[in-house]
Amino acid sequence: DIQMTQSPSTLSASVGDRVTITCRASQSISTWLAWYQQKPGTAPKLLIYKASSLESGVPSRFSGSGSGTEFTLTISSLQPDDFATYYCHQFNNYPWTFGQGTKVEIK
Amino acid sequence: EVQLVESGGGLVQPGGSLRLCCAASGFTFSSAGMTWVRQAPGKGLEWVASIKQRGSDKNYVDSVKGRFTISRDDAKDSLYLQMDSLRAEDTALYYCATGSMWHGNWGQGTMVTVSS
Repeated sequence: DIQMTQSPSTLSASVGDRVTITCRASQSISTWLAWYQQKPGTAPKLLIYKASSLESGVPSRFSGSGSGTEFTLTISSLQPDDFATYYCHQFNNYPWTFGQGTKVEIK
Repeated sequence: EVQLVESGGGLVQPGGSLRLCCAASGFTFSSAGMTWVRQAPGKGLEWVASIKQRGSDKNYVDSVKGRFTISRDDAKDSLYLQMDSLRAEDTALYYCATGSMWHGNWGQGTMVTVSS
């Protein structure tokens, strides 16, 4: 199985900060990667697919990059609505796998 | 507007069975791959199973192979997950989601608790 490792596990940041979350795959997954945001008590929301494609309706402050084994999700200017947990997800090889999550907290 | 509504969760004893249902609307269900993802209390997301259009291809995480069966009824715009031989570690909130690769729409989830 492909292991997805996110770093950091928790991130403390302030409104307006630039935030970067990293996701590493245990083997190459090309660009078959998605990013999701989840707030407590709600379903995940798709942000990015195929590593860098922004889902319709998602603010442009979110961006994704990377290929192969290393990927990043960047929030260019953190907003109050962005405090949540973020997950990466690979769909290159079955079984699909998720990272363990990165919680973005208020500093 | 895409809507996915899960049902069928509940409390079941170890070794028991449940059948989850996901009623879909707002898109052409028959043209969409579909997926079940679960989340144990306080834990992260785990992909469970996916089914492609027309049920042409089904895939499962190893921990549920031989116990869970994903299926669909395109005439009813519905996705199912038959869960047999349930174990305590299957306790989770089960989401259905569109897509057999990335998942653009999710339901609100249905809770499955396996306990004696």
